[in-house]
Amino acid sequence: NAGVTQTPKFQVLKTGQSMTLQCAQDMNHNSMYWYRQDPGMGLRLIYYSASEGTTDKGEVPNGYNVSRLNKREFSLRLESAAPSQTSVYFCASEPPSSYNEQFFGPGTRLTVL
Amino acid sequence: DAKTTQPPSMDCAEGRAANLPCNHSTISGNEYVYWYRQIHSQGPQYIIHGLKNNETNEMASLIITEDRKSSTLILPHATLRDTAVYYCIVSSTGTASKLTFGTGTRLQVTL
Repeated sequence: NAGVTQTPKFQVLKTGQSMTLQCAQDMNHNSMYWYRQDPGMGLRLIYYSASEGTTDKGEVPNGYNVSRLNKREFSLRLESAAPSQTSVYFCASEPPSSYNEQFFGPGTRLTVL
Repeated sequence: DAKTTQPPSMDCAEGRAANLPCNHSTISGNEYVYWYRQIHSQGPQYIIHGLKNNETNEMASLIITEDRKSSTLILPHATLRDTAVYYCIVSSTGTASKLTFGTGTRLQVTL
């Protein structure tokens, strides 16, 4: 099992550009999450998906959209990137009845100039 | 979800036990205590969780006080590879549980 994979690992954007961060898991998990982590801070939840076909806002959803393409894949889209979105983005997945044991990907380091 | 308070940093000598405290005085009856850690810039890693009983697994032990207002994560024999930021999180369980990560405790294990 590859676990949770994220692409790309690094990305530099100019203000106003758009991009999609990809996340996939091969563990047959139901729930998936997107977090961002700013320097020296903890993780903040952007969006989550309890199951295929459902998505909900987290703590900091503004400026982002998500798509739960199927059970394996959960993508995060920045429509018009801003410097404030410079951060490390982590995707996570969670099996059903897991007592909050989330499995995290390696992260995508995004810089917006 | 209840808020947690952790010291910003701690040191521990290699081979000794690392005891990481966490206060969660507003925890409610259906909320669990979870511990995750983040090594360098990797994604966080689940360590252990508990409701009111002490718990132990291959990585660590979790001691929760009887009133559940505080807990301690114990790494029995810390190694250099345990150097990381440790997050104490309080949350109820359920479908798509939402975890709130604070700033955690930065544990430095030294020779």
